[in-house]
Amino acid sequence: GENVEQHPSTLSVQEGDSAVIKCTYSDSASNYFPWYKQELGKRPQLIIDIRSNVGEKKDQRIAVTLNKTAKHFSLHITETQPEDSAVYFCAARVDKLVFGAGTILRVKS
Amino acid sequence: DTGVSQDPRHKITKRGQNVTFRCDPISEHNRLYWYRQTLGQGPEFLTYFQNEAQLEKSRLLSDRFSAERPKGSFSTLEIQRTEQGDSAMYLCASSDPGQAPEQYFGPGTRLTVT
Repeated sequence: GENVEQHPSTLSVQEGDSAVIKCTYSDSASNYFPWYKQELGKRPQLIIDIRSNVGEKKDQRIAVTLNKTAKHFSLHITETQPEDSAVYFCAARVDKLVFGAGTILRVKS
Repeated sequence: DTGVSQDPRHKITKRGQNVTFRCDPISEHNRLYWYRQTLGQGPEFLTYFQNEAQLEKSRLLSDRFSAERPKGSFSTLEIQRTEQGDSAMYLCASSDPGQAPEQYFGPGTRLTVT
């Protein structure tokens, strides 16, 4: 079955800097790759996603890139703000979502 | 509120008791998923439904777990003879893959088994 690995497990950045989180997946049949943000005690919130026929997608300060050949995808957050502090999860999907273990992002002001 | 809802939000039970959780998906979504999340981990897939049909169950779903979606709308997840290891957040998500692959999560039910 699918296996998703996510790195780093924790990431501290200074406000205004960029943050990059990377994921790899194992099942070449996976065709959809969402990213979720989860604040303490709250539900995972979809922040951006990418489908397998696209290499890059941007939405304001966040972007996701996908390399199907290497089976990895990354989340890029620019101009980080304290409210970006949360746990971020990547996932890969054929029918069901398989999640990475999460990255705790801390933005220091 | 047209999002995914779950009930109850919190449940404390004693070991050996049975518990049942409910999930109401977004109304036009025909797929409904159950996930379990423990502290510091990502959500783990348990099972999913396409309308009323249960299409896949994870190996995590032992014989003590059962899920139903009898009319293709809301779903229930029952855990029989709860164990302390069942303590977790149980998340429900829904999607309409014919329109878009996005899955939207409910607020979860936090189960504590004492």
